[in-house]
Amino acid sequence: DGGITQSPKYLFRKEGQNVTLSCEQNLNHDAMYWYRQDPGQGLRLIYYSQIVNDFQKGDIAEGYSVSREKKESFPLTVTSAQKNPTAFYLCASSRRTGGNVNYGYTFGSGTRLTVV
Amino acid sequence: QKEVEQDPGPLSVPEGAIVSLNCTYSNSAFQYFMWYRQYSRKGPELLMYTYSSGNKEDGRFTAQVDKSSKYISLFIRDSQPSDSATYLCAMGMDTGRRALTFGSGTRLQVQP
Repeated sequence: DGGITQSPKYLFRKEGQNVTLSCEQNLNHDAMYWYRQDPGQGLRLIYYSQIVNDFQKGDIAEGYSVSREKKESFPLTVTSAQKNPTAFYLCASSRRTGGNVNYGYTFGSGTRLTVV
Repeated sequence: QKEVEQDPGPLSVPEGAIVSLNCTYSNSAFQYFMWYRQYSRKGPELLMYTYSSGNKEDGRFTAQVDKSSKYISLFIRDSQPSDSATYLCAMGMDTGRRALTFGSGTRLQVQP
């Protein structure tokens, strides 16, 4: 079955540590996205990538980094520069956008990151 | 002011009621309008998709887009307890940023 897998489901980070969240898809989608979800704030865009080896900052990119070396994978690193990283992180993928194309997202089941 | 505004609720209705969920937006460049449903601690799933203005119906769900008013709606008929979830509106454009902008979500509780 095609889908998008995020791991781990729960992650604990100590102050000053970098952590990497995994996102893998086997839907043959070109585009991939990272969103952060906090209570009452909906989904806020961190980074997105339309094609391999290219990505763009979203609204809250500070303190995060990404790479897109393979079509299937879009890992997110939460660095020590991110001062308030405790949140629910969602990865999504879609067909490449443009024109009258349904580019609805397929989401993973999320990673809950907690700073301890 | 946020680009997309959505009442967070919670909205509590009895089983069988008609539910109306709404979003307003400020960016006239939005062309794609979607509704996602999110159960607790899960990723959102796509419910409805509309391109430009108009209505779209799928079973008990109807999505409406009024671009002149910058207002979109999702109607749920004969609501069921299994519809209890958070509903997120999302919007995208053909040019510029190729990623969806989401509303904050409305939490719906359907009482049996």
